[in-house]
Amino acid sequence: KQEVTQIPAALSVPEGENLVLNCSFTDSAIYNLQWFRQDPGKGLTSLLLIQSSQREQTSGRLNASLDKSSGRSTLYIAASQPGDSATYLCAVPGGGADGLTFGKGTHLIIQP
Amino acid sequence: GAVVSQHPSWVICKSGTSVKIECRSLDFQATTMFWYRQFPKQSLMLMATSNEGSKATYEQGVEKDKFLINHASLTLSTLTVTSAHPEDSSFYICSARDGIGRNTIYFGEGSWLTVV
Repeated sequence: KQEVTQIPAALSVPEGENLVLNCSFTDSAIYNLQWFRQDPGKGLTSLLLIQSSQREQTSGRLNASLDKSSGRSTLYIAASQPGDSATYLCAVPGGGADGLTFGKGTHLIIQP
Repeated sequence: GAVVSQHPSWVICKSGTSVKIECRSLDFQATTMFWYRQFPKQSLMLMATSNEGSKATYEQGVEKDKFLINHASLTLSTLTVTSAHPEDSSFYICSARDGIGRNTIYFGEGSWLTVV
């Protein structure tokens, strides 16, 4: 059964810093990996989708990498801003009929 | 971008009653929708996969008679929590896949259920 682990569970840093969030998964037979953002009490916003054939994806200040063989992905946030404060979730296909298996997330606080 | 709408955003119901949550894909057809549950400070857990025109596939440990799923059209799936109990209080989120195959999955805004 696929399991997804995210480290750290929580992170609080001053704004302007560059950050790395980590995600690992136990079954490397995935065809993509997705990073989401979740604001308190809200649904999910998809940030980046990396196909298994890709090594990284970039969107603005966000860069996600994927090392499928080692079962790891990282989300890099450059020049963090207070508006980046949220919970960041990593997910891979692994549920029934390609439902997603999520990690517990990294709760990020960017201090002004 | 594609939009998935959930309704209601939040609902309070009495113990023993049933409550229905709707999930709609607004600008695309979704042959497959997914229902997740999220308890406070926990991750999302897949409950079931809803396929248009057929029975839902439930994950292990999810009671199909308690969580009724109907996917009668390509744009609407409903989750009915029957005989609700306080322990069913949770955040329920649906997602929908755009088309067939490994296309992008879009998430709704979620529905808060409180059973009193």
